[in-house]
Formats: sequence, C-alpha cells, structure tokens
Amino acid sequence: AQSVAQPEDQVNVAEGNPLTVKCTYSVSGNPYLFWYVQYPNRGLQFLLKYITGDNLVKGSYGFEAEFNKSQTSFHLKKPSALVSDSALYFCAVRMGSNFNKFYFGSGTKLNVKP
Amino acid sequence: DGGITQSPKYLFRKEGQNVTLSCEQNLNHDAMYWYRQDPGQGLRLIYYSQIVNDFQKGDIAEGYSVSREKKESFPLTVTSAQKNPTAFYLCASSSPGTGGTDTQYFGPGTRLTVL
Repeated sequence: AQSVAQPEDQVNVAEGNPLTVKCTYSVSGNPYLFWYVQYPNRGLQFLLKYITGDNLVKGSYGFEAEFNKSQTSFHLKKPSALVSDSALYFCAVRMGSNFNKFYFGSGTKLNVKP
Repeated sequence: DGGITQSPKYLFRKEGQNVTLSCEQNLNHDAMYWYRQDPGQGLRLIYYSQIVNDFQKGDIAEGYSVSREKKESFPLTVTSAQKNPTAFYLCASSSPGTGGTDTQYFGPGTRLTVL
C-alpha cells in the first residue's frame, strides 16, 4: 500500500541543538513530498516540498529536508532548534492518478526545551 | 487577504442533529478537500473535489456529505449517521498544477463536539 510513515510520536531536543523529524514513504513512481507544521488548534502551515532536482530542500523558518531515494526517506532538519519550533509536524505525499490526493503521516510532536 | 476561511471555529452538536461546516477560499484553486483530525491519527481524507459540481469520497466518507456548487465554496455536512463526529475538521485547497506540483493550503479548522 502506498503510504507515508512518521516513526516517532515525539521528539525532544534542547534549544540550540540540531533537530531531525523522520519520515519514510512507500509509493509507486516518483513521490511528491511535503512537510507541514501545526500549532495548537490551528490549521496546517506549509514548510517545504520536494518535487524533483536537488535532494536538499530549503523551506520556511530555517527548516530543510533531505530526500533520499534509496532509503525512501524525507527527514526534516534544522541546524539550531528554537523553543518556538515546538509544534506538531506532518509529512505528506501527493499521489493519485492525477495527483489530487494527499496522504499524511500520523504526525510527530516536537518539543524544544530551553 | 488571500486564503481559506472556515466557520464556525467551534461547533457543538446534539445527538441526531445534522450540522454544516463552512469552507471558503479566494485562492482561485480548483481542488478542495475535507480532512478529519483525531489525536494520534494524523489527517484522514473525508471528501475531495477537483472541479465544480464534482466530488469524490475519501477514506472515511460514511456519515458525511458535501456539495461543490461554486468554485470558492465546499461545505461539509456531518449527518446523524456519523456515530463519532467529535473531531477537528480541516478544509484545504490546491491547484493541480503541472504533474501535481502545487501545494495544498489549509484553513484554520473547526472543532466539532457532540454533546
């Protein structure tokens, strides 16, 4: 089955340290991959996407993600975490016969402690 | 401002009632979506519409209905047939673009609670 997985329910990191939020995917064909962030009681905000080209994608708020085709992964990274980065992060893959369906991972809660 | 609006922000439903959640977008997007979010389960697709007067069931359509009479609007009705409707509902829109490269944008959500 085609899907996207976030293996960690929660990630804890100290402010100033690098952070990684993991995502793996299982799709046929070339994946279109996305990362979103959600703050409490809010909608999802787009961070970045991978469509094609350079495997390292840079996005909003200093986040970046690395597409690794051999490991079928699209991990979200940031060199130096901020307390304000604490939120729920979702990985998503766009698929379907005409690419109009998105499938989301279960989400990873990021806790950045001062 | 361009974007997606959802109303109301909070909604309370009594057992056996139908309720309608509003979603409006002024992004000129062709496709619109409804998701349900439950704790620990991520987002699950209820319905989506690629064009006016057309919509398709998602993964959990039972107990829900939609209409798409205008490009800007995609209301979701939660019927009494939905046995566990308490959840956070998110509306989104996107423009298919070339090969599906365009991004999906989300509204602020409606939290529905059954009393």
